[in-house]
Amino acid sequence: GDSVTQMEGPVTLSEEAFLTINCTYTATGYPSLFWYVQYPGEGLQLLLKATKADDKGSNKGFEATYRKETTSFHLEKGSVQVSDSAVYFCALSYSGNTGKLIFGQGTTLQVKP
Amino acid sequence: ETGVTQTPRHLVMGMTNKKSLKCEQHLGHNAMYWYKQSAKKPLELMFVYSLEERVENNSVPSRFSPECPNSSHLFLHLHTLQPEDSALYLCASSQEWRGNYGYTFGSGTRLTVV
Repeated sequence: GDSVTQMEGPVTLSEEAFLTINCTYTATGYPSLFWYVQYPGEGLQLLLKATKADDKGSNKGFEATYRKETTSFHLEKGSVQVSDSAVYFCALSYSGNTGKLIFGQGTTLQVKP
Repeated sequence: ETGVTQTPRHLVMGMTNKKSLKCEQHLGHNAMYWYKQSAKKPLELMFVYSLEERVENNSVPSRFSPECPNSSHLFLHLHTLQPEDSALYLCASSQEWRGNYGYTFGSGTRLTVV
């Protein structure tokens, strides 16, 4: 079945460091891909998305490129801040039968000053 | 009020209690969802409602009973829960349930079963 796999956390970085959180997926078709972020005590918020191969989603300095050849959607940010500390979820969905989101297990990011 | 609102934010209940979780959205969305978030596990989709009709039920035990009286409100009725049901329960909505629409999530209800 379709699934999403993220790198295990926690990822601990110093402020202004470069961030990469890996995400790979298994899908029978051509899904859309998403990154969601969950700040402490909050629900999930959509961070960015890409709907087809080679699309790049970007928001708040974060970006991810839909790589069909490697079935990946890695999240990157050039310079992280303490306020970026959160749990990041990669997800996929289809436009066909069901639009339900399939999530990865989440990756915790801790940014230290 | 905008977005997705969940109440209560925290709930502690005994295994013999009956309680309900409430979710409300004022986004004009037609689809609503219940997710369960447990520590170190992927988010588990529990129920999907589209235009007040349940369109998906992912083998959830009958001690969880959803209700969608209209497209703006979604409830999760709880009875005779087990300690392993302790988790964060998240409600979400989207424009339609079929399609690549992003979800808007509530802040969740932190449930503890004692």
